[in-house]
Amino acid sequence: GQQLNQSPQSMFIQEGEDVSMNCTSSSIFNTWLWYKQDPGEGPVLLIALYKAGELTSNGRLTAQFGITRKDSFLNISASIPSDVGIYFCAGPTGGGNKLTFGTGTQLKVEL
Amino acid sequence: DADVTQTPRNRITKTGKRIMLECSQTKGHDRMYWYRQDPGLGLRLIYYSFDVKDINKGEISDGYSVSRQAQAKFSLSLESAIPNQTALYFCATSLGLEAFFGQGTRLTVV
Repeated sequence: GQQLNQSPQSMFIQEGEDVSMNCTSSSIFNTWLWYKQDPGEGPVLLIALYKAGELTSNGRLTAQFGITRKDSFLNISASIPSDVGIYFCAGPTGGGNKLTFGTGTQLKVEL
Repeated sequence: DADVTQTPRNRITKTGKRIMLECSQTKGHDRMYWYRQDPGLGLRLIYYSFDVKDINKGEISDGYSVSRQAQAKFSLSLESAIPNQTALYFCATSLGLEAFFGQGTRLTVV
């Protein structure tokens, strides 16, 4: 089946630093979704990308398609402690009828 | 109240037992999903349903079954639980692609 690989698998950063993570697919996606999972909770949608070539922002978060559209990037500026969690990318598979999720990037923020 | 509610939140069961995880939603969405989360593997789709009469297998359906009792209810059953089904299980709903998740059920099979 479709595989979405995220890197890094985990990262440990200082508060205030900028963060960048990416997600790669074996095929082209026309839509990318980025979710965040807080400890003990279900994933929550952060950003939805529907148009290649455009940056999409949500507060300190920015996401975009990669050049090949087989990848996507999520950036977090000026990280704060509440950014801690697992970040998942997701893309449409099965003819666009369902979501396949990436393996996740775990973010830990040091005060 | 949560839009997507899962019960129970935690469950410990013995190998070979039948167990049902329940999900209900108040979002009015037709599409419902069951995912399994394991460390390092992300979220993997078990089953999904686009309406009451529609049930589809996901990538890891073996050992699981589902029932869509109503638009708002979608339950997941493990007919004979085994230890490697120990995981965090999530129900989700959507209108289109953007899925909304419940808080999860942590299942331990001993």
